[in-house]
Amino acid sequence: DADVTQTPRNRITKTGKRIMLECSQTKGHDRMYWYRQDPGLGLRLIYYSFDVKDINKGEISDGYSVSRQAQAKFSLSLESAIPNQTALYFCATSDAVGYTFGSGTRLTVV
Amino acid sequence: EDQVTQSPEALRLQEGESSSLNCSYTVSGLRGLFWYRQDPGKGPEFLFTLYSAGEEKEKERLKATLTKKESFLHITAPKPEDSATYLCAVQALGATNKLIFGTGTLLAVQP
Repeated sequence: DADVTQTPRNRITKTGKRIMLECSQTKGHDRMYWYRQDPGLGLRLIYYSFDVKDINKGEISDGYSVSRQAQAKFSLSLESAIPNQTALYFCATSDAVGYTFGSGTRLTVV
Repeated sequence: EDQVTQSPEALRLQEGESSSLNCSYTVSGLRGLFWYRQDPGKGPEFLFTLYSAGEEKEKERLKATLTKKESFLHITAPKPEDSATYLCAVQALGATNKLIFGTGTLLAVQP
């Protein structure tokens, strides 16, 4: 099994729909992150969590929310999806040594 | 403002043709500089972490170096399987442990 698992891998949704992206990790790390990747813009931080009770906004949190259900689980929600949220979304976890990323969720909002 | 700039945006090499990728950064205080490899449709895969100017790390055909303003990823005698996007990221001093990414260099190695 992968260290960081993201579901779904691909999703097409309509404008205005609520959607949740899920992430689970088996690394045993406290720190988890959600990034989005857009062509020409690199990876940008949406939210991060240093433990179950600590959740923080990143640079582009508007339109997103998160839930840290357990040390191993960190989900990202789009309450009302819009087309410019079409992107590749990555979950990651880290310790003092480095980061491990999931394989990503490709989200298309039509 | 902390910032990372990578160049070139894209690079095409012949198999065996060595070259270097550049990562320039401005950060209030550098905790670490990271290099990742990303294949299409996959997440970034960790390659190296560099912490201080003058530090070098190697892995197979790749060698990463660090100065106070930039890092280079040297690729010696590349093979087609080295084709990927190479991402650079910096982590600033402080409690947040966040990475700031560059936009990457897309490397294509032709046989």
